[in-house]
Amino acid sequence: EIVLTQSPGTLSLSLGERATLSCRASETIRSSQLAWYQQKPGQAPRLLIYGASNWAAGVPDRFTGSGSGTDFTLTISRLEPEDFAVYYCQQYVSSPYTFGQGTRVEIK
Amino acid sequence: QVQLVQSGAEVKNPGASVKLSCRTSGYTFTNFYVHWVRQAPGQGLEWMGTINPSGGHTNYAQKFQGRVTMTRDTSTSTVYMEVTSLTSADTAVYYCARDGSIFGVAHGLDVWGQGATVTVSS
Repeated sequence: EIVLTQSPGTLSLSLGERATLSCRASETIRSSQLAWYQQKPGQAPRLLIYGASNWAAGVPDRFTGSGSGTDFTLTISRLEPEDFAVYYCQQYVSSPYTFGQGTRVEIK
Repeated sequence: QVQLVQSGAEVKNPGASVKLSCRTSGYTFTNFYVHWVRQAPGQGLEWMGTINPSGGHTNYAQKFQGRVTMTRDTSTSTVYMEVTSLTSADTAVYYCARDGSIFGVAHGLDVWGQGATVTVSS
């Protein structure tokens, strides 16, 4: 089973600041089959990024996914009020298609 | 538009079973896998398994093998998941989600149901 470790657990930032979220895999994720999701309280997760760096439909370009192999990053260039949420990475290269434990982005 | 609409909240006694439904619309049902993901209160997301609506083939996380059964009804474009031998540890919100992968290109889980809360309590 591929274990995904996200860091930090919580990120406290102000509006307009840059957020950098990390997702590290316990083994190489080939073909960059990694996705990022955003989840707000009481809502279902929303797909942001697939294939490590491809935007899902309707996702603002302030969200950028990067990385390969075992190290992946989600960057939010300038935090907007609606970006404060929990973010999860998920690998879908091998079953079970595990999620990271999440990073909470909160208002400082 | 593409939609996944789930059945409502359930309250079950320990040892009971629950069967959840996920009715899809707005796309060709048999072209996209459907996954089930659950989230215990205050916790992260946990992948449970997936079903190929075309042939009904399933792939379950080992943790749930023997206790989870996913099925589909192509006449109503609905996917079902039954979980047996419930314990309090199964109290969670259960989501179905469409796998957006197509033509061999993986796209992640691109459309989600609204979630169904299952509470296991005596």
